[in-house]
Amino acid sequence: SAVISQKPSRDICQRGTSLTIQCQVDSQVTMMFWYRQQPGQSLTLIATANQGSEATYESGFVIDKFPISRPNLTFSTLTVSNMSPEDSSIYLCSVAPPDSGNTIYFGEGSWLTVV
Amino acid sequence: QKEVEQDPGPLSVPEGAIVSLNCTYSNSAFQYFMWYRQYSRKGPELLMYTYSSGNKEDGRFTAQVDKSSKYISLFIRDSQPSDSATYLCAMIAYSSASKIIFGSGTRLSIRP
Repeated sequence: SAVISQKPSRDICQRGTSLTIQCQVDSQVTMMFWYRQQPGQSLTLIATANQGSEATYESGFVIDKFPISRPNLTFSTLTVSNMSPEDSSIYLCSVAPPDSGNTIYFGEGSWLTVV
Repeated sequence: QKEVEQDPGPLSVPEGAIVSLNCTYSNSAFQYFMWYRQYSRKGPELLMYTYSSGNKEDGRFTAQVDKSSKYISLFIRDSQPSDSATYLCAMIAYSSASKIIFGSGTRLSIRP
């Protein structure tokens, strides 16, 4: 398993602003993922964050809206840019540790409300 | 048709009851199956992980996989109010965590 810390845990943001979410893992991991979970919905993968290369985005998500950094094997950030009320969601960082057997572990999430 | 179907609930049962949560899937290539528990406004927590047909038990929790029927279940025995949460099934077809597919989640409430 892995211990994953996310900051902020929650925030209220003004429309049109941007917010960066940080994700810190207690061990080195190759694969880190960013998910979005809108109210009452399941998890949607935004992108896979690769160390040393650009993130890989899923259909419907673009780098301009959700820029991601992955400077090392224990840290990543996700920025939600030019926010609108539709961006109000839980944003979750997750990792697949080397000994995870193809499963993933999640951080506590960052609950963003855009007003 | 969604790849993974899960009854959204809500499901409400009295304390001490046996709970059965279920998911069906359409892709016969799915090989790895997980159950996550998610409390309100928290991240999902991995409960069970299995990659073969049959049963896997961990305390009060039993995960069951029937690949021939494309059906997985999570049973909770002696349910407690602290089990009240949303339960998500998840599965992977390939040996890559980036291809994990989640169910929509079942909201479970255990009445004291």
